[in-house]
Order: sequence, then structure tokens, then C-alpha cells
Amino acid sequence: KAGVTQTPRYLIKTRGQQVTLSCSPISGHRSVSWYQQTPGQGLQFLFEYFSETQRNKGNFPGRFSGRQFSNSRSEMNVSTLELGDSALYLCASSLVASGGYNEQFFGPGTRLTVL
Amino acid sequence: DQQVKQNSPSLSVQEGRISILNCDYTNSMFDYFLWYKKYPAEGPTFLISISSIKDKNEDGRFTVFLNKSAKHLSLHIVPSQPGDSAVYFCATQPQNYGGSQGNLIFGKGTKLSVKP
Repeated sequence: KAGVTQTPRYLIKTRGQQVTLSCSPISGHRSVSWYQQTPGQGLQFLFEYFSETQRNKGNFPGRFSGRQFSNSRSEMNVSTLELGDSALYLCASSLVASGGYNEQFFGPGTRLTVL
Repeated sequence: DQQVKQNSPSLSVQEGRISILNCDYTNSMFDYFLWYKKYPAEGPTFLISISSIKDKNEDGRFTVFLNKSAKHLSLHIVPSQPGDSAVYFCATQPQNYGGSQGNLIFGKGTKLSVKP
């Protein structure tokens, strides 16, 4: 079974630009979450999508947005990029089942550098 | 305010010995506690979890202990192997509200180095 894939793997942008990152979850997984990893803040939850609906959102400004398509693939968008947006952006997918912990499977991430 | 804290940014252990990674949390409203391992240039991979109603969970060389009164979590790796060298993240899943599954809260990680 193929794992979570993220494209592109590396990206360089300049301040003020916008960027779109893509994530393909494991086949059959309907929940997709996004995280930002920086040296100072560690791994921080951005948002979660399930059945094309945003189900939960972390504490990030409105410049960060996302969506999910009917095939569960997801994209996240960052507008008006700032230097502080330089980070590793990780996508994770999971099955949705009632009760218990549903393991999240992470992709390799997209390394975004803002100059 | 950090809800999950890993106070040791790094740990070095000799091969064959025990590695103990620690984690503290501030909020008791968590359902599950998890450990993830991360190698460079890869995403985190799930290692082991423990429910908030238990105090120990074991999987092979890995054991997680939960001390609810101290709000403390630890991961024991015995025996440690060079391939265990990675960054280990403690994480928790808040009580499931609205059906949300994905909002894990992570510590900042501890880099474990196992020397041959």
C-alpha cells in the first residue's frame, strides 16, 4: 500500500507570494491533517479535513487555508508569505473509526523556504 | 503555553543500555498519549500509544509509562540499538469532540543518539 505522498518536496518562494502544497493520503483514509514544523515551535497542528469539510483548526492566521477533494486528496495554501512561514509542512492521513486512537500516517513533508 | 513538554532536547546512550525519554503535560483532558519517531528527511512514524486509563503499555523493546498524578509520560527502549537514533516526539490527542481525529499536540522532541 502506498504511503502518504506530498508534492513538491522542496519549494523556494519570496515574501508576499502565495504557495499551494499538495497531499495524497493513503488509499481508504478519509481524514487528512496538516502540521507545521519549525525549530522554535516544533510540530504544530494547522487543520484537519474529513469528507471535504474542515473539522478542526489550529491557531494560525487566516493566510493559511486548505481544502479537501472528493478523492480525499488535500491542498493547503499560504497567501502573502512571510519569512516566518519557512518550515517543514507535514500532511498526515488516518482512517476514521469510532473510539480508540486512530494512527496518523505522515508524509515526508514539503520544505518551504521564504526569502 | 506549551501543553506537552519534552525538557531534554537530546540524549546520548550506549548501545545495549536503556534509553528513557520523558514528557510532561499540563492538561488532564487527554484521551491518548503517543510517541512518534522521526528520521531526517522523513515524516514522523508512530511508535506506541497509551490510553489515559492505563499506566503501562509494552511493545517489544518499547514500553510507555503514564503517571497521571504527576502528569508525566516516559518511553523506555531496552536494549537501545544504533538504528533507534532519531528524534522522538511525545504527543497527545485531546478528548474527541466533534469527531476530530487529527489535532495532535506535540512536544518539541528529544534527539536520541545511540552509540555503538
